[in-house]
Parts: sequence; C-alpha cells; structure tokens
Amino acid sequence: EPEVTQTPSHQVTQMGQEVILRCVPISNHLYFYWYRQILGQKVEFLVSFYNNEISEKSEIFDDQFSVERPDGSNFTLKIRSTKLEDSAMYFCASRETGGYGYTFGSGTRLTVV
Amino acid sequence: AQSVTQLGSHVSVSEGALVLLRCNYSSSVPPYLFWYVQYPNQGLQLLLKYTSAATLVKGINGFEAEFKKSETSFHLTKPSAHMSDAAEYFCAVSTASGNTPLVFGKGTRLSVIA
Repeated sequence: EPEVTQTPSHQVTQMGQEVILRCVPISNHLYFYWYRQILGQKVEFLVSFYNNEISEKSEIFDDQFSVERPDGSNFTLKIRSTKLEDSAMYFCASRETGGYGYTFGSGTRLTVV
Repeated sequence: AQSVTQLGSHVSVSEGALVLLRCNYSSSVPPYLFWYVQYPNQGLQLLLKYTSAATLVKGINGFEAEFKKSETSFHLTKPSAHMSDAAEYFCAVSTASGNTPLVFGKGTRLSVIA
C-alpha cells in the first residue's frame, strides 16, 4: 500500500536554529498538508499546499514557517528560528483529488532544547 | 467553519465489552468524516471514513461508525474490545467541496482492562 514517508523520525535542535522536515507524499496525490501535535494535545492544521502554492494556512503558520516542493517529489516544512514551543510531532499528509483519502506519514518528533 | 467535538477525553472498557467513542461534528456543508487511531509513539492510521455513500461504515480491526445527519454524529463502535485496541482515537471532519483541511477533535484515549 502506498505510504507517505517522513524523515527524520526524530530531530533534536537548539533554540534559534533552522530545521527542515522532509516528506515524500504519495505519487499521484495532489494536495499536501502539514499538521502538528504538541505532546498530549490535539492534532492541529498548519498549512495546505496545492499546485505549487499554499492554499490555506492556520494562525500557527506564521513567518517562521515555510513550505516547499523543491523537486516534484519532496514536500518540506522549514522552521527558520526554532522556539521551545515548536517542540511537537509534525505530520505530513497527502490527499487524492475528491476530498477523501488523506494518508498521514508516521511523523517527525521535533525537540527544541 | 467546521469543528469536531469528542465527548470524553478518556474511556475505559473491559476486554470483551462494547466500545463506544462519541463524535459530533459541525459543518455548514455536507461533511466527510473520519476516524483515526494513534498508538503510542506512532503516526495516525485511518480506521474508517464516511464520504456520502452508506451511512454505516465498516473499518479495520472490527470498528464501525454510523453517520447520523439528524444528530450530527459519527460515533465509533466495536462490539468486543481487545487489549490491542488501547490507543488514542481522533475523529476528523472535512468536506468534498474543495481543498478543505481535515479538522480534528481533541481525541479520546481508550483503555482496555483485562
């Protein structure tokens, strides 16, 4: 069964450093998403991406965040200057056309120290 | 705007007992509804989804859910709980009208007692 692949599975970074979280969506999916889950809390929407541009973003997705699809297969989330409160599990998801069929990756656990 | 309310942040059942996890949604357009399961330190796995076909939806691991428009509910059930069902369960809503992000509920932690 097709999978969404996320790397790394766990990243530790110092406060103020830049991090890039990587995702390889399912190849025939056209919609891509990043979500995050702070430990013990709900899964929160960050951003959606379609046709090489951001289609929607939440209030969490401020200027510190950016997304990119650099080469037609990878989908990345960059956090420019990490803060302690950015520590969370970050999930990538992709979706086929039609409004259903979201597939999530296994997540990247980001720890900011 | 869409939202999901999951009643009960923690549900505990005995092994072999009925599992009932409650989810109510709010949506101004016809919704698509999902249940995801998250095992400790793992990602989100799709259990089942409602996409405007049959109102009773069967998923993996013996779970099913029924879409009730009049009650704006999409409760998850399983006739007989197994120890391996212990996990966090998330209800989520989206729409078919476009690129609408999935909106999750706060989750319900299911504990299964031997």
